[in-house]
Amino acid sequence: NAGVTQTPKFQVLKTGQSMTLQCAQDMNHNSMYWYRQDPGMGLRLIYYSASEGTTDKGEVPNGYNVSRLNKREFSLRLESAAPSQTSVYFCASSGGNEQFFGPGTRLTVL
Amino acid sequence: QKEVEQDPGPLSVPEGAIVSLNCTYSNSAFQYFMWYRQYSRKGPELLMYTYSSGNKEDGRFTAQVDKSSKYISLFIRDSQPSDSATYLCLFSGGYNKLIFGAGTRLAVHP
Repeated sequence: NAGVTQTPKFQVLKTGQSMTLQCAQDMNHNSMYWYRQDPGMGLRLIYYSASEGTTDKGEVPNGYNVSRLNKREFSLRLESAAPSQTSVYFCASSGGNEQFFGPGTRLTVL
Repeated sequence: QKEVEQDPGPLSVPEGAIVSLNCTYSNSAFQYFMWYRQYSRKGPELLMYTYSSGNKEDGRFTAQVDKSSKYISLFIRDSQPSDSATYLCLFSGGYNKLIFGAGTRLAVHP
C-alpha cells in the first residue's frame, strides 16, 4: 500500500498563476483533508471531505477550491496564487479519528 | 486565548533521557487526542491516539490525558537520536474541528 500520495513534490508559481495539487489514497478511507503548514503555526485545515461527494471549509479556505473526484482522490486548486500562499501543503485521509498524511507539496509563490 | 497551546521548544536532551512534551487546550468539545511525529521535510506520522483521561502506553511512548485540567502529555523513555523530530499534538472534535499545536522541536544528542 502506498498510503497517501501527493503530486507534485515541489512547485514554484508566479503571482496570479493557477495550479492544482493532487492527492490520492489507497486505504479506502471515507474522509480526506487538505492542510497548510507554516513556520510557527502548525498545520491549519483548509478544506475537508467527510465522504465522496461532499466538501466543506476548514479554518483557512480563502483562495482555495477543492474537488473530491472519487473516493480515492481529493484535489486542491489555487485559482490565482498569491505570495501569502507560499507554504507546505499536506493531504490526509481518515477512516475513523486517526489521520494519515502524505509527504507534502512545497509551494513557493513569487 | 488560543484553543491549543504547545511550547515550540527547541528541547535538547542527552540520549537516554526521559522527555516530556505537553499541550493545553481550552475547548471542551475536543474528544480525541493524538500525537504526531514529523521529521524534517516529511509528513506527520501518527504516534499515539487516545480519547479518554488516563495513560496509554506503546513501547517507549506514553500518552497522558487529563480532561479536567485540559492537558495532554507525551512521554518518551530512553530517548534516542532517532527521536529527534518535531512533535505535534492534534485535538479533534469532529470533521471540521481539527486543531494542531504549533509543534515542539526535539533534539536528542548522543
